[in-house]
Amino acid sequence: GAVVSQHPSRVICKSGTSVKIECRSLDFQATTMFWYRQFPKQSLMLMATSNEGSKATYEQGVEKDKFLINHASLTLSTLTVTSAHPEDSSFYICSASVGTGTGIETQYFGPGTRLLVL
Amino acid sequence: GQQVMQIPQYQHVQEGEDFTTYCNSSTTLSNIQWYKQRPGGHPVFLIQLVKSGEVKKQKRLTFQFGEAKKNSSLHITATQTTDVGTYFCAANNAGNNRKLIWGLGTSLAVNP
Repeated sequence: GAVVSQHPSRVICKSGTSVKIECRSLDFQATTMFWYRQFPKQSLMLMATSNEGSKATYEQGVEKDKFLINHASLTLSTLTVTSAHPEDSSFYICSASVGTGTGIETQYFGPGTRLLVL
Repeated sequence: GQQVMQIPQYQHVQEGEDFTTYCNSSTTLSNIQWYKQRPGGHPVFLIQLVKSGEVKKQKRLTFQFGEAKKNSSLHITATQTTDVGTYFCAANNAGNNRKLIWGLGTSLAVNP
């Protein structure tokens, strides 16, 4: 199956600093990647859709200036949490959309990044 | 907007008992996908159902897609401790088939 890596797996930072998270598709090209946020014992909350070569599409309520997304190549998307605050602490997961040949897309997830802002 | 409802939210079973989680939508779905997330892990794709009334099996897991393509279920026979985790259903968004609309998930705990 498709493999997606994510780095770092865990990060602790001070309030006010920026944190960059990388998402890579290792054995395939991904024109579309997704960034999710997940709080403990809750479902996945889609933050934005990352499109290679174009601007990301953000979900309602997600600040694009706060969560910067760059998808500069077919195998890499980055999410930068700018001026992080304790309320940004969460589990951030990326996924890559893979076509199944039937017009339907499934998603393969990276291992996630646990962000703790002190 | 399009929503996918999933029940129950939590389920505790004794090892060896069966388990079922249900997914429902008010609109017809083009497909339904199921994912499993182990505690501390990330969602892992299990299966995709496309056809009306489709039934697929993976060992002790049985997945069904309703005739009207508005509901789906995942049934685990004789649960084991390795089945512990949260099971999510998801469906492709009608307006953008690359986005997934996620159920809230069912967390399964298995007592040995």
